[in-house]
Amino acid sequence: SQQGEEDPQALSIQEGENATMNCSYKTSINNLQWYRQNSGRGLVHLILIRSNEREKHSGRLRVTLDTSKKSSSLLITASRAADTASYFCATGFSGGYNKLIFGAGTRLAVHP
Amino acid sequence: DVKVTQSSRYLVKRTGEKVFLECVQDMDHENMFWYRQDPGLGLRLIYFSYDVKMKEKGDIPEGYSVSREKKERFSLILESASTNQTSMYLCASRNPRADTQYFGPGTRLTVL
Repeated sequence: SQQGEEDPQALSIQEGENATMNCSYKTSINNLQWYRQNSGRGLVHLILIRSNEREKHSGRLRVTLDTSKKSSSLLITASRAADTASYFCATGFSGGYNKLIFGAGTRLAVHP
Repeated sequence: DVKVTQSSRYLVKRTGEKVFLECVQDMDHENMFWYRQDPGLGLRLIYFSYDVKMKEKGDIPEGYSVSREKKERFSLILESASTNQTSMYLCASRNPRADTQYFGPGTRLTVL
């Protein structure tokens, strides 16, 4: 069964607006990662946050993690048309070769 | 720069055919993974390999097998393709000392 579930499934915004995507998961994790996928392509790693961290930044990306609520959010500030893609959260676990379990993703459309 | 390549971007096969999907990475990573991606289901792990000649079943191994004879190459085999194996197949690799996975561009397989 899926560990991570993203919300919303789809998001449509204008250029310059902020985009927020949420991810909920069910069991304890070692880390949580966000990946991006352009249409019909492979996934690209964006950012990783460990279970002992609460917030992390990378450029226009801001990720938060609330382990008590088993949830994470990805904020993209000042969005651009080039940010149009699907975004996936993936939960990682210690041991077990650190397999990742992916959610179903959020499809983001940024309109010029 | 990290690179994961997959043998085909698009593949069309007939029911009952034996299908080979090849993945090559140039990062000297021990761990390699095969996922399938279907709308609304996200990525699901089929098999992974933690080293040469080592393999472990993922969440949906039925109907698939794998081969890892060399460190850089991980092959996914559909012994007798069926229409329900029509999907996007993604390969990834990982340095076991890090948590990030690097993905190939994907192979979109259609089984008629």
